[in-house]
Amino acid sequence: DIVMTQSPDSLAVSLGERATINCKSSQTLFYSSNNKNYLAWYQQKPGQPPKLLIYWASTRESGVPDRFSASGSGTDFTLTISSLQAEDAAIYYCQQYYNNLPTFGQGSKVEIK
Amino acid sequence: EVQLVQSGGGLIQPGGSLRISCAVSGFNVSNNYMTWVRQAPGRGLEWVSIIYSDGRRYVLDSMKGRFTVSRDSSNNILFLQMNNLRVDDTAVYYCARGAGEQWLVSEIYHFYYYMDVWGKGTTVTVS
Repeated sequence: DIVMTQSPDSLAVSLGERATINCKSSQTLFYSSNNKNYLAWYQQKPGQPPKLLIYWASTRESGVPDRFSASGSGTDFTLTISSLQAEDAAIYYCQQYYNNLPTFGQGSKVEIK
Repeated sequence: EVQLVQSGGGLIQPGGSLRISCAVSGFNVSNNYMTWVRQAPGRGLEWVSIIYSDGRRYVLDSMKGRFTVSRDSSNNILFLQMNNLRVDDTAVYYCARGAGEQWLVSEIYHFYYYMDVWGKGTTVTVS
């Protein structure tokens, strides 16, 4: 199984400041044949299902605010919230889909400082 | 409007069986890849199962022989039949639509996917 490890487990950021979450995979998520990284990011608020934010490592889902961006390739990926809003307080998960067994990171909790 | 409405969760004793449902509107379950993901209390997300558009089914190894995914194409409903339930199966179970790409691997098409639409979840408590 591909193990996904996120850091930090939690972070507190002031409103309007930048929040950065890292995700590291135990093996590459990059297919050279199509130049794609098989990684997605989700946001989950309490009592709600996860919401897709990003797929193919950096493609924003329709309707997701552009303050959310993501980058990375191979085994190291980053989700950035450029200017934190109150409604961004949530747990964020990365997920690999490089093989038939999708696996998630343990989650990173973003709180408002 | 795309909607996944879940039902069927509840309290069940260890060793018991339960079937949970996911009624879909806005697209056809039979033409899509439909998955189940679960989340134990206070824990992260764990993929459980998928049913391909061609009917193939895959389930997490630890649940093989106990959990079965199926669909009712006429009524556009996805199911997860859970047998011989254990205390550590206690979780919120989400249905979700898979989105991604299909690749031919060793003469078999496999789907590599993220989940783009999710149900609200149904709680299964085994105690």
